[in-house]
Amino acid sequence: DAGITQSPRYKITETGRQVTLMCHQTWSHSYMFWYRQDLGHGLRLIYYSAAADITDKGEVPDGYVVSRSKTENFPLTLESATRSQTSVYFCASIRDRNTEAFFGQGTRLTVV
Amino acid sequence: GIQVEQSPPDLILQEGANSTLRCNFSDSVNNLQWFHQNPWGQLINLFYIPSGTKQNGRLSATTVATERYSLLYISSSQTTDSGVYFCAVCQETSGSRLTFGEGTQLTVNP
Repeated sequence: DAGITQSPRYKITETGRQVTLMCHQTWSHSYMFWYRQDLGHGLRLIYYSAAADITDKGEVPDGYVVSRSKTENFPLTLESATRSQTSVYFCASIRDRNTEAFFGQGTRLTVV
Repeated sequence: GIQVEQSPPDLILQEGANSTLRCNFSDSVNNLQWFHQNPWGQLINLFYIPSGTKQNGRLSATTVATERYSLLYISSSQTTDSGVYFCAVCQETSGSRLTFGEGTQLTVNP
C-alpha cells in the first residue's frame, strides 16, 4: 500500500522555467490538496480538488496551475518559476469530507 | 477567514515530562486534526477530533468545539516526540479545506 507519494523529492530550477511537481495516491481518495510550507507562514493552501476535473483555488494560487484528469494524480505546475516560489510543497488527500488527511513526503523546491 | 492560534510556539522538555499544547480557533468548525511534523519533514496525522476526547498510547487530545479550542496532551515524552505539532481546522462553509496554525516546536532532551 504505497499511499500518497510525491516526486521529485528535491528540485533545483532556474527563474523563468516551468516545473511540475507530481502527486499520486493509491487510495482513490476524492479530495486532494497542494500546500506550501514556508518559515513564518506555516502551511498555506495553493489549490485543491474535490474530484477528477474539479479544482479550485486556495489561499495562494498565483503562479501555479493544477489539473486532475485522473482521481489518483494531482500535478502542480509552476508556469514560470520565481525565487518567491522556493518552498517545501506538500500534497495531501482525504477520502471524503470530514475525514483525516494524509500527506506526501514533500518536495523541496529551490528556484535560483 | 478562520484564525487558528497555537500555544506555546516553542517548548523544551526533559525526557519523561508531560506537556499540553493548545489550539484556539476563531469560529465554529466541523473538522479538527492534529499533525506531527518530524525532524525529517514528514507530516503524520495524529488525531481527527472535531469534538470529544481520543487517546492513542501516550498521546491524547480533547476538543471543546463550543468553546473553540483543542488540547493535545503528551505524557512521558520521548526524544522521538520532538518536532512541530500542527493543529488544522475546517469550517462547514469552506468545504474540505484545512487551515493550519503556526505550530508548536517541541524539543525533548534526553
